Amino acid sequence: QKEVEQNSGPLSVPEGAIASLNCTYSDRGSQSFFWYRQYSGKSPELIMFIYSNGDKEDGRFTAQLNKASQYVSLLIRDSQPSDSATYLCAVNILPSGRGSTLGRLYFGRGTQLTVWP
Amino acid sequence: KAGVTQTPRYLIKTRGQQVTLSCSPISGHRSVSWYQQTPGQGLQFLFEYFSETQRNKGNFPGRFSGRQFSNSRSEMNVSTLELGDSALYLCASSPRTGGTEAFFGQGTRLTVV
Repeated sequence: QKEVEQNSGPLSVPEGAIASLNCTYSDRGSQSFFWYRQYSGKSPELIMFIYSNGDKEDGRFTAQLNKASQYVSLLIRDSQPSDSATYLCAVNILPSGRGSTLGRLYFGRGTQLTVWP
Repeated sequence: KAGVTQTPRYLIKTRGQQVTLSCSPISGHRSVSWYQQTPGQGLQFLFEYFSETQRNKGNFPGRFSGRQFSNSRSEMNVSTLELGDSALYLCASSPRTGGTEAFFGQGTRLTVV
């Protein structure tokens, strides 16, 4: 099992709809969870982070975390064509077998979202 | 506050050559991570430096190396370039090590011919 898994999509929603992006992770000890947005030809941009179980809202974005089930999701309400991008989930995970006490970020492959007018 | 600066933005090299990429992190950030991004493989972790020490390393051959200076600026070197090294190389700056929030530079697009 990969450390962080996302549906590759593509996910296509109409303008104004709710886009739901999901991510599962392997390490029960993970403490930090991040969502990045990457437009084509650009670098990833941090849009949300969440550390505690439950929901965290920021404008049209809501991050949801369920540590017991080891998943984190991102909801985009009132989706706009400008939201069309690839969304990357990142989780801090302790590398196995390295004797290190420090984790690092592991990224999923990303979900491509298209919002059509 | 200035963001993460990567230079150069674009680079074309010939197979067998070597290349050095540079990254200046956000002021006050001491962790710099490097990633390779290709359409087929997504974001692949290369290594992380914190306080001039390599803290984590991904599964890349020894041709890929890096270092960090006392001012937190980092360089990444790739020797004996191969066609498969063509990719977008991204640097990410973090205030701490251990998998905290990371802020990416614009990347260096390397093409090996």
